[in-house]
Amino acid sequence: EIVLTQSPATLSLSPGERATLSCGASQSVYSNYIAWYQQKPGLAPRLLISDVSKRATGIPDRFSGSGSGTDFSLTINRLEPEDFAVYYCQQYGRSLSFGGGTRLEIK
Amino acid sequence: EVILVESGGGLVQPGGSLRLSCAASGFTFGNFAMSWVRQAPGKGLELVSAIIGNGANTYYADSVTGRFVTSRDNAKNTVFLQMHSLTAEDTALYYCAKSTNSRAMDYDSWGQGTQVTVSS
Repeated sequence: EIVLTQSPATLSLSPGERATLSCGASQSVYSNYIAWYQQKPGLAPRLLISDVSKRATGIPDRFSGSGSGTDFSLTINRLEPEDFAVYYCQQYGRSLSFGGGTRLEIK
Repeated sequence: EVILVESGGGLVQPGGSLRLSCAASGFTFGNFAMSWVRQAPGKGLELVSAIIGNGANTYYADSVTGRFVTSRDNAKNTVFLQMHSLTAEDTALYYCAKSTNSRAMDYDSWGQGTQVTVSS
């Protein structure tokens, strides 16, 4: 099983700043099958990014994904108040697993 | 519009069984893989099980292998999760999730979840 480690656990930033969230895999992710989700309290997760860098329908272009092999990242430019939430990475190459999450909070 | 509605959750004693259902609408059900993802209180997401569009292949997390079985009825647009030998560690909100295609397991639609509580 591939273990995904997200860092930092908590990220404190202000609206308008840029957020960079990291996701490290214990082994290379097959076909770079990495997705990112946003979850707000009391709600189901929402798909942001698939296949490392493909934005899901309706996701603004301030969200971008990058990486390959074992190191991946989600960047959120010009943080909006609604972006403060918990973010999870997921790999769906060989086996399936989620990272432990990064909480993005308002500084 | 894609709609996923989970049902079947509740309070069950340790060692008991429960069957969850997820009724889907708004898309061609048999063309998409479906999964169950759970979230314990205050914790992260855990992929529980997955089943491809035609039902021929399934995946289970190590923590539930041998105890949980996922199946689907494409004629009724429903996916199921049969859970046996439940323990307190299975207490969680169980989400049904739709994949972006018949085999890939990234999820573009989620239900609202059904709560499973294992306690005596």
